[in-house]
Amino acid sequence: EDQVTQSPEALRLQEGESSSLNCSYTVSGLRGLFWYRQDPGKGPEFLFTLYSAGEEKEKERLKATLTKKESFLHITAPKPEDSATYLCAVQVAGGSARQLTFGSGTQLTVLP
Amino acid sequence: GAGVSQSPSNKVTEKGKDVELRCDPISGHTALYWYRQRLGQGLEFLIYFQGNSAPDKSGLPSDRFSAERTGESVSTLTIQRTQQEDSAVYLCASSGYTSGSNYEQYFGPGTRLTVT
Repeated sequence: EDQVTQSPEALRLQEGESSSLNCSYTVSGLRGLFWYRQDPGKGPEFLFTLYSAGEEKEKERLKATLTKKESFLHITAPKPEDSATYLCAVQVAGGSARQLTFGSGTQLTVLP
Repeated sequence: GAGVSQSPSNKVTEKGKDVELRCDPISGHTALYWYRQRLGQGLEFLIYFQGNSAPDKSGLPSDRFSAERTGESVSTLTIQRTQQEDSAVYLCASSGYTSGSNYEQYFGPGTRLTVT
């Protein structure tokens, strides 16, 4: 069974305090790994797609990396506006399956 | 450009009533997805459309749930004889999927369904 586990469940940082969020996955074959940001009362907002181990992508203060078993979302010098729930999802290779399997998310709070 | 839109944004219904939730995908996106997010939980896949057909309905929780898509555009998710456990946020996403590709999914704001 395909599984996605995110840790920690919640993380509180001071403004400027860098940290990393973890997403570990178990799938029969990986088509892609996705990171989303979700603000309260809103739908998930797309951040990154990673396709193969060793791949890295960056956007402003965020950097996503991928290995064969896990992905990290590194947040450098976060600001209060980075506070949100960060969701990781995988898309499994093979067949007609195109849906995403999501983890439960990491709720990030950045204090001023 | 316009993103994915959903209506209504909130729906309160009595147990046993039927509800219809609507999704307007991004123009030109051929793939459309429905997910459910219960309070404090992750997103659960419900159904996927490619064009107007649904190659994957594996996530629909019971035969009370059905969905259709017309004109390769608007989709409607129908829940019959609603139960309290159906209370959740229903999210729609679309992607510019083509064969062999892996386009990211863009989500709408969701419909919050409360069954009383």
